[in-house]
Parts: sequence; structure tokens; C-alpha cells
Amino acid sequence: LAKTTQPISMDSYEGQEVNITCSHNNIATNDYITWYQQFPSQGPRFIIQGYKTKVTNEVASLFIPADRKSSTLSLPRVSLSDTAVYYCLVGETDSSYKLIFGSGTRLLVRP
Amino acid sequence: GAGVSQSPSNKVTEKGKDVELRCDPISGHTALYWYRQSLGQGLEFLIYFQGNSAPDKSGLPSDRFSAERTGGSVSTLTIQRTQQEDSAVYLCASSSYGQSGNTIYFGEGSWLTVV
Repeated sequence: LAKTTQPISMDSYEGQEVNITCSHNNIATNDYITWYQQFPSQGPRFIIQGYKTKVTNEVASLFIPADRKSSTLSLPRVSLSDTAVYYCLVGETDSSYKLIFGSGTRLLVRP
Repeated sequence: GAGVSQSPSNKVTEKGKDVELRCDPISGHTALYWYRQSLGQGLEFLIYFQGNSAPDKSGLPSDRFSAERTGGSVSTLTIQRTQQEDSAVYLCASSSYGQSGNTIYFGEGSWLTVV
């Protein structure tokens, strides 16, 4: 299971674009990259997932360079409600797969 | 149900007592996970069930912790002789084996306080 490294915390202001980068130098060929968001007192929830290039959904975009050794979660025009912890996970689906969460990135959005 | 359901949502117990936490995964999901999260900390992996395979118990912190999954669906996490350091939120998650990228879905957690 590829190890991931993320910044411990980030600050931003409402309306700004926030980019959180995750390093995963040992990513394997079959690994996907998945980001989760966790609000206080709640379980994590899925945000976005990708394998290569760029993925966009109604919540965020995920940029993955050709070497796939890193990925960047992009949150457009953040609001106060985007204050949360964001986790990057890398792995594949197989019969013995388990998900290990890192420490995540604490994003604080200020007025 | 539509999502992962956990019970109880809150539990206060006395030190030394046993507690059982229940998880109902999403219907049809073959993989089930238990995590623990202490206040302000990250998620700590506890145990993983996948179909009929032997569970991965590598994250259980001590022999006071055990979990079972009956009929490939409902799971129970049992903590014996609870200690104050067991106070945390216990999160259950499930996913569908074979799904690309293995997206998992979490319940709201069971908040355990040992006094």
C-alpha cells in the first residue's frame, strides 16, 4: 500500500481556490487515488477519485501528473463550510485490501 | 438501509465494563472496516472483513478488542474491560468488492466515553 504525504494544515479565505497536494512516490500500477473529507463529529465521506490526468465532479477537481507520484485536490471558491480534514488515499481493490488513512490536511477557511 | 448504520450513537460506560458496538453495512457490500478516532486525531485502522476470508485483525490494539461479522453482513465490535483510553469514536465503513478504486462509505460513528 503506497504511503502518502500531505501538508498537516492549510488556511484559506472564502471565495479562494484551494489546492492540496499529496505525494505518493511508491504508487503502484493498479493503484487509484481517492480523496475523503471529514467534518468534525462525522465519518469521512468520499469526494473524488482518479487514476490519471484530470477528474472533475460537482465538488472538486483532481489533477494527476503523468508519473502519478503526486496528486492535487482542487476546491474552487471555498466557503466556510469547506473547513474540514482532507485525506488522500492510494490503493487498489483486491481481496486483501485495507485502507490506511494518514493524518490528513486540516483546511481552515476564514471569512 | 441507504447507508452504513451504527449503534449506539453514544455510549457512556464505567471503567472495567464490556461494551458492544454494532455496524450494519450497506446492503450487498462485502467489505467492512472498523476504525477508531480519538479527539483531534486521525483514523486508526482496527479490523477489516472481506467476504468469507479471514479478517485482517492487525490493527486491534489489544486482546480486549474483538470483532465478528455474522452472515457476511452485520458486524459487532466488542471491547472487554474498558479503559479510559478506549474513549473515542468508533467508525464503521463498508465497500463493494470489485468496485474500481474501492470507494468506502462510513457510518456516523459510535461515540464511546469510559468514565
